[in-house]
Amino acid sequence: AQKITQTQPGMFVQEKEAVTLDCTYDTSDQSYGLFWYKQPSSGEMIFLIYQGSYDEQNATEGRYSLNFQKARKSANLVISASQLGDSAMYFCAMRELGGGADGLTFGKGTHLIIQP
Amino acid sequence: GAVVSQHPSRVICKSGTSVKIECRSLDFQATTMFWYRQFPKKSLMLMATSNEGSKATYEQGVEKDKFLINHASLTLSTLTVTSAHPEDSSFYICSARDWQAAGYGYTFGSGTRLTVV
Repeated sequence: AQKITQTQPGMFVQEKEAVTLDCTYDTSDQSYGLFWYKQPSSGEMIFLIYQGSYDEQNATEGRYSLNFQKARKSANLVISASQLGDSAMYFCAMRELGGGADGLTFGKGTHLIIQP
Repeated sequence: GAVVSQHPSRVICKSGTSVKIECRSLDFQATTMFWYRQFPKKSLMLMATSNEGSKATYEQGVEKDKFLINHASLTLSTLTVTSAHPEDSSFYICSARDWQAAGYGYTFGSGTRLTVV
């Protein structure tokens, strides 16, 4: 079973609109962390936002916010007031803290295209 | 902020040769580094975790003799693709742990696009 599921392979959004990128996860660990990264065509991975499993508040970083619904195992990224420069691949990732493994597990990504 | 430098950014090699990719943490010491592989328009797959001074831990299905990882110092990890074949062509990206960094410790290099001809 996939640990990170991103169901939107691609999205077209009008500039200045808000956009929600979906991410659901699967883990039996009680302690875990969820990440969102942006990958432009150059290939670098740009960290956007982090949510810990025990964080009670939804994380926010500027125009990015994470809609964390723990019971539903959902960690959707919300980008407010989208800009042309937001066009990129977006990956949701998880780090499970209980099993000793330290690397990130990534979803398949969503290709976001912002249209003028 | 924490910076991870990865070289080369692009490399083309002939089938059967070996290629070394370097991943350096520039302003912090990284006891743990990670190597990922990304196929075109696909997700990043963790290949291995390298710990300074010890053997790397490879993910299931990753050939340790094909992908040699060395983490000889706190600032340098290398991935050597041995006897490369066209199916090894991919985008390889490293990541280093720095507890002080944004992203709660995961800083990524800029990646290496390997083409085997």
